[in-house]
Amino acid sequence: DTEVTQTPKHLVMGMTNKKSLKCEQHMGHRAMYWYKQKAKKPPELMFVYSYEKLSINESVPSRFSPECPNSSLLNLHLHALQPEDSALYLCASSQGDRDYEKLFFGSGTQLSVL
Amino acid sequence: RKEVEQDPGPFNVPEGATVAFNCTYSNSASQSFFWYRQDCRKEPKLLMSVYSSGNEDGRFTAQLNRASQYISLLIRDSKLSDSATYLCVVNIPTISNFGNEKLTFGTGTRLTIIP
Repeated sequence: DTEVTQTPKHLVMGMTNKKSLKCEQHMGHRAMYWYKQKAKKPPELMFVYSYEKLSINESVPSRFSPECPNSSLLNLHLHALQPEDSALYLCASSQGDRDYEKLFFGSGTQLSVL
Repeated sequence: RKEVEQDPGPFNVPEGATVAFNCTYSNSASQSFFWYRQDCRKEPKLLMSVYSSGNEDGRFTAQLNRASQYISLLIRDSKLSDSATYLCVVNIPTISNFGNEKLTFGTGTRLTIIP
Protein backbone atom coordinates (compact mmCIF):
# COMPACT_ATOMS: atom_id res chain seq x y z
CA ASP A 1 0.00 0.00 0.00
CA THR A 2 1.19 3.48 -0.87
CA GLU A 3 2.15 5.79 1.99
CA VAL A 4 1.12 8.81 -0.03
CA THR A 5 -2.63 9.30 0.17
CA GLN A 6 -4.57 11.18 -2.47
CA THR A 7 -8.21 12.23 -2.43
CA PRO A 8 -10.52 11.99 -4.19
CA LYS A 9 -9.71 8.93 -6.29
CA HIS A 10 -12.08 10.07 -9.03
CA LEU A 11 -13.42 13.53 -9.86
CA VAL A 12 -15.77 14.75 -12.54
CA MET A 13 -16.13 18.50 -12.91
CA GLY A 14 -17.54 21.05 -15.29
CA MET A 15 -15.46 23.78 -16.85
CA THR A 16 -16.87 26.41 -14.49
CA ASN A 17 -16.33 24.42 -11.29
CA LYS A 18 -13.73 24.96 -8.61
CA LYS A 19 -12.35 21.84 -6.97
CA SER A 20 -9.26 20.78 -5.05
CA LEU A 21 -7.11 17.68 -5.08
CA LYS A 22 -5.48 16.69 -1.81
CA CYS A 23 -2.33 14.77 -1.01
CA GLU A 24 -0.92 13.70 2.34
CA GLN A 25 2.21 11.87 3.44
CA HIS A 26 3.54 11.05 6.89
CA MET A 27 6.96 9.75 5.96
CA GLY A 28 8.70 12.99 6.99
CA HIS A 29 9.49 13.74 3.36
CA ARG A 30 10.33 17.38 2.65
CA ALA A 31 9.76 17.44 -1.11
CA MET A 32 6.35 16.96 -2.69
CA TYR A 33 5.36 16.90 -6.35
CA TRP A 34 2.38 17.08 -8.67
CA TYR A 35 2.50 15.12 -11.91
CA LYS A 36 -0.05 14.89 -14.70
CA GLN A 37 -0.38 11.69 -16.72
CA LYS A 38 -2.43 11.21 -19.86
CA ALA A 39 -3.33 7.72 -21.06
CA LYS A 40 -0.38 5.77 -22.48
CA LYS A 41 1.99 8.67 -21.76
CA PRO A 42 4.59 9.07 -19.01
CA PRO A 43 3.98 11.31 -16.01
CA GLU A 44 4.76 14.99 -16.67
CA LEU A 45 6.05 17.15 -13.86
CA MET A 46 3.85 20.12 -12.92
CA PHE A 47 5.11 21.48 -9.60
CA VAL A 48 7.72 20.74 -6.94
CA TYR A 49 7.60 21.95 -3.36
CA SER A 50 10.78 21.74 -1.34
CA TYR A 51 10.57 22.47 2.38
CA GLU A 52 7.10 23.92 1.81
CA LYS A 53 8.32 26.40 -0.81
CA LEU A 54 7.46 26.18 -4.49
CA SER A 55 10.73 25.38 -6.20
CA ILE A 56 9.71 24.24 -9.67
CA ASN A 57 6.73 25.31 -11.78
CA GLU A 58 6.85 23.71 -15.19
CA SER A 59 4.99 26.55 -16.93
CA VAL A 60 1.66 25.19 -15.82
CA PRO A 61 -1.45 27.28 -16.71
CA SER A 62 -2.77 29.42 -13.88
CA ARG A 63 -6.01 27.45 -13.76
CA PHE A 64 -3.90 24.99 -11.71
CA SER A 65 -2.87 26.47 -8.37
CA PRO A 66 -0.73 24.45 -5.95
CA GLU A 67 -0.63 24.96 -2.22
CA CYS A 68 1.51 23.42 0.50
CA PRO A 69 -0.08 24.18 3.89
CA ASN A 70 2.55 22.20 5.78
CA SER A 71 5.23 19.61 5.21
CA SER A 72 2.72 16.74 5.12
CA LEU A 73 0.06 18.22 2.89
CA LEU A 74 -0.09 19.28 -0.74
CA ASN A 75 -3.17 20.62 -2.52
CA LEU A 76 -3.90 21.35 -6.14
CA HIS A 77 -6.69 23.87 -6.67
CA LEU A 78 -8.53 23.63 -9.97
CA HIS A 79 -10.57 26.38 -11.59
CA ALA A 80 -11.99 26.85 -15.07
CA LEU A 81 -10.38 23.70 -16.43
CA GLN A 82 -10.62 22.56 -20.02
CA PRO A 83 -11.60 19.10 -21.29
CA GLU A 84 -7.98 18.52 -22.34
CA ASP A 85 -7.01 18.76 -18.66
CA SER A 86 -8.68 15.38 -18.11
CA ALA A 87 -5.93 13.07 -16.87
CA LEU A 88 -4.57 11.13 -13.91
CA TYR A 89 -3.07 13.56 -11.39
CA LEU A 90 -0.34 11.99 -9.31
CA CYS A 91 1.17 13.31 -6.12
CA ALA A 92 4.61 12.13 -5.08
CA SER A 93 7.02 12.78 -2.26
CA SER A 94 10.72 12.29 -1.62
CA GLN A 95 13.03 12.80 1.31
CA GLY A 96 14.16 16.13 -0.04
CA ASP A 97 17.52 16.29 1.66
CA ARG A 98 19.55 15.21 -1.33
CA ASP A 99 19.53 16.21 -4.92
CA TYR A 100 18.63 12.83 -6.33
CA GLU A 101 15.69 11.22 -4.73
CA LYS A 102 13.45 8.23 -5.07
CA LEU A 103 9.85 9.19 -5.64
CA PHE A 104 6.93 7.65 -3.77
CA PHE A 105 3.64 8.12 -5.59
CA GLY A 106 0.07 8.25 -4.40
CA SER A 107 -2.55 6.26 -6.27
CA GLY A 108 -3.69 9.35 -8.13
CA THR A 109 -6.89 11.23 -8.85
CA GLN A 110 -8.55 10.39 -12.15
CA LEU A 111 -9.99 13.71 -13.30
CA SER A 112 -12.59 14.15 -16.01
CA VAL A 113 -13.50 17.65 -17.17
CA LEU A 114 -16.81 17.90 -19.02
CA ARG B 1 16.84 14.21 -29.31
CA LYS B 2 14.51 13.51 -26.39
CA GLU B 3 15.98 13.79 -22.92
CA VAL B 4 15.03 10.21 -22.06
CA GLU B 5 14.07 7.67 -24.71
CA GLN B 6 12.69 4.18 -24.53
CA ASP B 7 11.36 1.69 -27.04
CA PRO B 8 7.60 1.81 -26.33
CA GLY B 9 7.12 -1.82 -27.34
CA PRO B 10 4.92 -3.68 -26.86
CA PHE B 11 7.15 -6.58 -25.92
CA ASN B 12 5.19 -9.85 -25.91
CA VAL B 13 7.32 -12.47 -24.22
CA PRO B 14 6.55 -16.08 -23.25
CA GLU B 15 6.56 -16.95 -19.59
CA GLY B 16 9.97 -18.02 -18.37
CA ALA B 17 11.88 -16.11 -21.02
CA THR B 18 14.47 -13.41 -20.45
CA VAL B 19 13.71 -9.91 -21.65
CA ALA B 20 15.81 -6.75 -21.71
CA PHE B 21 14.96 -3.10 -22.17
CA ASN B 22 17.24 -0.18 -22.86
CA CYS B 23 16.79 3.49 -22.10
CA THR B 24 18.97 6.26 -23.52
CA TYR B 25 19.49 9.69 -22.02
CA SER B 26 20.84 12.84 -23.59
CA ASN B 27 22.45 14.76 -20.71
CA SER B 28 25.89 13.44 -19.84
CA ALA B 29 25.71 15.22 -16.46
CA SER B 30 22.82 13.04 -15.28
CA GLN B 31 23.71 11.19 -12.09
CA SER B 32 20.62 9.33 -10.92
CA PHE B 33 18.82 6.57 -12.73
CA PHE B 34 15.81 4.51 -11.79
CA TRP B 35 13.43 1.93 -13.17
CA TYR B 36 9.78 2.26 -12.20
CA ARG B 37 6.98 -0.14 -12.91
CA GLN B 38 3.44 0.99 -13.64
CA ASP B 39 0.44 -1.30 -13.84
CA CYS B 40 -2.60 -0.26 -15.82
CA ARG B 41 -4.48 2.59 -14.08
CA LYS B 42 -2.12 2.46 -11.10
CA GLU B 43 0.63 4.72 -9.87
CA PRO B 44 4.30 4.18 -10.80
CA LYS B 45 6.23 2.21 -8.19
CA LEU B 46 9.99 2.16 -7.80
CA LEU B 47 11.41 -1.11 -9.09
CA MET B 48 15.09 -0.39 -8.55
CA SER B 49 17.73 2.29 -8.62
CA VAL B 50 20.55 1.87 -11.11
CA TYR B 51 24.08 2.09 -9.76
CA SER B 52 27.30 2.63 -11.68
CA SER B 53 28.56 -0.84 -10.92
CA GLY B 54 25.29 -2.48 -11.91
CA ASN B 55 22.95 -4.06 -9.44
CA GLU B 56 20.72 -7.07 -9.11
CA ASP B 57 17.53 -7.71 -7.19
CA GLY B 58 16.32 -11.26 -7.58
CA ARG B 59 15.36 -11.80 -11.22
CA PHE B 60 16.00 -8.16 -12.09
CA THR B 61 19.37 -6.72 -13.15
CA ALA B 62 20.00 -3.07 -13.90
CA GLN B 63 23.09 -1.69 -15.60
CA LEU B 64 24.44 1.72 -16.49
CA ASN B 65 26.66 2.51 -19.45
CA ARG B 66 27.87 6.08 -19.04
CA ALA B 67 30.00 6.09 -22.18
CA SER B 68 27.02 5.31 -24.38
CA GLN B 69 24.53 7.03 -22.08
CA TYR B 70 22.06 4.25 -21.58
CA ILE B 71 20.68 2.12 -18.81
CA SER B 72 19.25 -1.34 -19.13
CA LEU B 73 16.87 -3.61 -17.28
CA LEU B 74 17.07 -7.39 -17.60
CA ILE B 75 14.28 -9.63 -16.35
CA ARG B 76 15.07 -13.32 -16.07
CA ASP B 77 12.56 -16.18 -15.78
CA SER B 78 9.70 -13.80 -16.51
CA LYS B 79 6.41 -14.27 -14.67
CA LEU B 80 2.88 -13.35 -15.69
CA SER B 81 2.91 -10.78 -12.89
CA ASP B 82 5.79 -8.97 -14.61
CA SER B 83 3.32 -7.68 -17.23
CA ALA B 84 3.37 -3.89 -16.83
CA THR B 85 4.83 -0.72 -18.28
CA TYR B 86 8.44 -0.13 -17.29
CA LEU B 87 9.46 3.51 -16.98
CA CYS B 88 13.02 4.72 -17.10
CA VAL B 89 13.64 7.79 -14.92
CA VAL B 90 16.71 10.00 -15.17
CA ASN B 91 17.59 13.17 -13.32
CA ILE B 92 18.14 16.12 -15.64
CA PRO B 93 20.40 18.74 -14.07
CA THR B 94 18.79 22.16 -14.10
CA ILE B 95 19.90 25.63 -13.20
CA SER B 96 18.13 25.81 -9.88
CA ASN B 97 18.62 27.70 -6.67
CA PHE B 98 16.72 25.11 -4.72
CA GLY B 99 18.76 22.00 -5.29
CA ASN B 100 15.89 20.05 -6.78
CA GLU B 101 16.88 18.09 -9.80
CA LYS B 102 14.28 17.35 -12.41
CA LEU B 103 13.46 13.66 -12.63
CA THR B 104 12.34 12.97 -16.19
CA PHE B 105 10.39 9.93 -17.25
CA GLY B 106 10.88 8.02 -20.45
CA THR B 107 7.81 7.10 -22.45
CA GLY B 108 7.77 3.63 -20.94
CA THR B 109 8.06 0.15 -22.40
CA ARG B 110 4.98 -2.01 -22.31
CA LEU B 111 5.67 -5.66 -21.44
CA THR B 112 3.17 -8.50 -21.71
CA ILE B 113 4.13 -11.96 -20.50
CA ILE B 114 2.27 -14.65 -22.40
CA PRO B 115 1.33 -17.92 -20.66
